[in-house]
Amino acid sequence: GEDVEQSLFLSVREGDSSVINCTYTDSSSTYLYWYKQEPGAGLQLLTYIFSNMDMKQDQRLTVLLNKKDKHLSLRIADTQTGDSAIYFCAEWGEAGTALIFGKGTTLSVSS
Amino acid sequence: DTAVSQTPKYLVTQMGNDKSIKCEQNLGHDTMYWYKQDSKKFLKIMFSYNNKELIINETVPNRFSPKSPDKAHLNLHINSLELGDSAVYFCASSQGDVSEAFFGQGTRLTVV
Repeated sequence: GEDVEQSLFLSVREGDSSVINCTYTDSSSTYLYWYKQEPGAGLQLLTYIFSNMDMKQDQRLTVLLNKKDKHLSLRIADTQTGDSAIYFCAEWGEAGTALIFGKGTTLSVSS
Repeated sequence: DTAVSQTPKYLVTQMGNDKSIKCEQNLGHDTMYWYKQDSKKFLKIMFSYNNKELIINETVPNRFSPKSPDKAHLNLHINSLELGDSAVYFCASSQGDVSEAFFGQGTRLTVV
């Protein structure tokens, strides 16, 4: 079955870059996603990458995809305290039945 | 306009009770989902409905029954609530598969 793995915690100082890593199992995934969950809130799509891309940049966010190693990463440049949240990596499960999420990485940003 | 809305936002109830959580989406999507987020924040798919038909049910106890009166609504009914059912339940929708899923704000269920 599908499995999406992430490290659970990351602490950085304000202004530093944050890198959140994810590994996934389904090599047929067309899109891979990063969702953000702020405390007490639902999940918001942060960014996504199409499987035929290696990199996608969107303002402070950079997504890198290594299909050979099934590794996805999210880099947040100039991390701010408002970036403190849980970040989930996700891929579509078998036959596109539902989004399968990693366990989430809690990003803590200190000033 | 809220895209995916769930009610109630908070639900506190006693063990053994039956409760429902409602979900509505105004995006015209044809697939809706229920996810459970446990105390460790892990998100697990419970049900997926496509055009009012159940297409997956991931080892969820049969005390949980999704009901979809039309493709804009997917309600979750839970019988005989147990302490372990305490969690945050998220409704989501998407247009077909492999497209972005939109999430509701969640329903925090506490069983006492």
